[in-house]
Amino acid sequence: DAGVTQSPTHLIKTRGQQVTLRCSPKSGHDTVSWYQQALGQGPQFIFQYYEEEERQRGNFPDRFSGHQYPNYSSELNVNALLLGDSALYLCASSLLRNTIYFGEGSWLTVV
Amino acid sequence: AQSVTQPDIHITVSEGASLELRCNYSYGATPYLFWYVQSPGQGLQLLLKYFSGDTLVQGIKGFEAEFKRSQSSFNLRKPSVHWSDAAEYFCAVGESSSGSARQLTFGSGTQLTVLP
Repeated sequence: DAGVTQSPTHLIKTRGQQVTLRCSPKSGHDTVSWYQQALGQGPQFIFQYYEEEERQRGNFPDRFSGHQYPNYSSELNVNALLLGDSALYLCASSLLRNTIYFGEGSWLTVV
Repeated sequence: AQSVTQPDIHITVSEGASLELRCNYSYGATPYLFWYVQSPGQGLQLLLKYFSGDTLVQGIKGFEAEFKRSQSSFNLRKPSVHWSDAAEYFCAVGESSSGSARQLTFGSGTQLTVLP
């Protein structure tokens, strides 16, 4: 049983560019959340998707957007990249009160 | 708004010694509480969680945590630390809604070093 899988593992982008990160939730999970973890800090909640709708959003600008597909997989898009967007982006999946599982993350470096 | 405080940025213990990592939370209702561990360059692995019921929760790798509502705390403990426990530990509180934990708010983490 595969856990939460994310791609790509690492990527480097230039300021102003756009990036798309992908996440496949754990089998049977219908809710996907995205977190940003800057170096030396705890993860911060970006948003959560359920039934293809954004259900909740953290304190992130509109440059951060997402999507959930009918198979529950999800994408995180970040436009107009800033140096400060460099971080580990974590995807988490869950089903109701079940355990919230995290993927290994996607390391984004903006230069 | 919910918040989590982990007062200890860095803790060093000797292998075989006992461990307690502190976590205090702020949340208006009954919280969902979690402890995660993160090794360098890795994602988060769940150690244990508290949703309701018994306030002493057992987790993986010999860890346990106790929910104390009166102190707004959820401290993580282990009776005997192994060198492989060296990692960053995060406490998190989950906003509960309709029985599901929605957004998680994390503390800033405690870095654990284990001496041989």
